[in-house]
Amino acid sequence: DTGVSQDPRHKITKRGQNVTFRCDPISEHNRLYWYRQTLGQGPEFLTYFQNEAQLEKSRLLSDRFSAERPKGSFSTLEIQRTEQGDSAMYLCASSLGGGGAYNEQFFGPGTRLTVL
Amino acid sequence: KNQVEQSPQSLIILEGKNCTLQCNYTVSPFSNLRWYKQDTGRGPVSLTIMTFSENTKSNGRYTATLDADTKQSSLHITASQLSDSASYICVVSPTNTNAGKSTFGDGTTLTVKP
Repeated sequence: DTGVSQDPRHKITKRGQNVTFRCDPISEHNRLYWYRQTLGQGPEFLTYFQNEAQLEKSRLLSDRFSAERPKGSFSTLEIQRTEQGDSAMYLCASSLGGGGAYNEQFFGPGTRLTVL
Repeated sequence: KNQVEQSPQSLIILEGKNCTLQCNYTVSPFSNLRWYKQDTGRGPVSLTIMTFSENTKSNGRYTATLDADTKQSSLHITASQLSDSASYICVVSPTNTNAGKSTFGDGTTLTVKP
């Protein structure tokens, strides 16, 4: 399968615990994005990487959230001291980037986080 | 503030019928508009993408239209199938390189009944 993969698909945790999600983008894609989506809403942008550089972070990405893409391939999103409001679907997407009109983002299946 | 408004919020149709979903946006300057289909519990999958110079784009039974003057787009689904039941999300981007400014609508939830 050459699509975007995410792991785990589901995560249930208790409030206050730390969680880490992983995203493996399409291999030739140099851009990687993280989004958060709650029920009935569209995805909300969190952050994105060009290769290993984190180029933009949303105001939604509080100090408890950190994302890395150390080698410009896979990425991790960590949430520290989880709160019930963090419960959502976390989506990862990748694209070729580099400009042009068709910078299409390909999404992974998402990780559904439930904070009890 | 850049916004993308989709209507209706939800829609129920019978299998075989056609339907049209609407997307109005205030994103400016405008670069491209994409329609995604998102099945329950899955990530969005791209259906069409249009630049400001394109008026229509088809992908099988899906046809998207764009009026850049009125900042409106529609997604028309022909001869609906049960598998069309999903959320349809409109995404507007003002630039090609700045992902942070892509604005997502909240989607239209379509239910196709037999």
